[in-house]
Amino acid sequence: GQSLEQPSEVTAVEGAIVQINCTYQTSGFYGLSWYQQHDGGAPTFLSYNALDGLEETGRFSSFLSRSDSYGYLLLQELQMKDSASYFCAVNSGNTPLVFGKGTRLSVIA
Amino acid sequence: NAGVTQTPKFRVLKTGQSMTLLCAQDMNHEYMYWYRQDPGMGLRLIHYSVGEGTTAKGEVPDGYNVSRLKKQNFLLGLESAAPSQTSVYFCASSTPQGENSYNEQFFGPGTRLTVL
Repeated sequence: GQSLEQPSEVTAVEGAIVQINCTYQTSGFYGLSWYQQHDGGAPTFLSYNALDGLEETGRFSSFLSRSDSYGYLLLQELQMKDSASYFCAVNSGNTPLVFGKGTRLSVIA
Repeated sequence: NAGVTQTPKFRVLKTGQSMTLLCAQDMNHEYMYWYRQDPGMGLRLIHYSVGEGTTAKGEVPDGYNVSRLKKQNFLLGLESAAPSQTSVYFCASSTPQGENSYNEQFFGPGTRLTVL
């Protein structure tokens, strides 16, 4: 089977840095994706890591360690608009993406 | 381009009624998916399709049927709605999955379904 674990909730202060972790157990693994979903909205793609290391896209970065079955999403210079739910998802090849249950990020002033 | 669209946006059903949710995409994607999202449960895959005329079961297929008669459309049917099917339903599409694929899924705006 496949399973992903991520914290259910995280709270951080505007302007700060926050890290959202994701650990996974899968029978096959090609890469880890991150999606953002604002309340009432649809999930939108943020990043994808197939190789170990850090991928940076503006204020957002995503990290992967294949040997540890672990990844994280790093959000810098937090803004109020970053308040949303964040999902990690595993690409294990021929089967559809498996999503984690999501981490609800609250950014406070 | 409209991307992924879903019809209807909201619906209220009585137990036992049937309905069909329509998903359409204009990105010429091969793969299409139906998810349901419940509080604290994340996105759970109901059914998916890897091409016109093909469908497969996901994690929670019971009580739902799907059809992919045209590449751009993916229909989700509820034959006899139950209160447990109250949820937000998302459709998504993507290019074929694979080892070298980003697997970026493009989601529709969702359908909020309440079954009384």
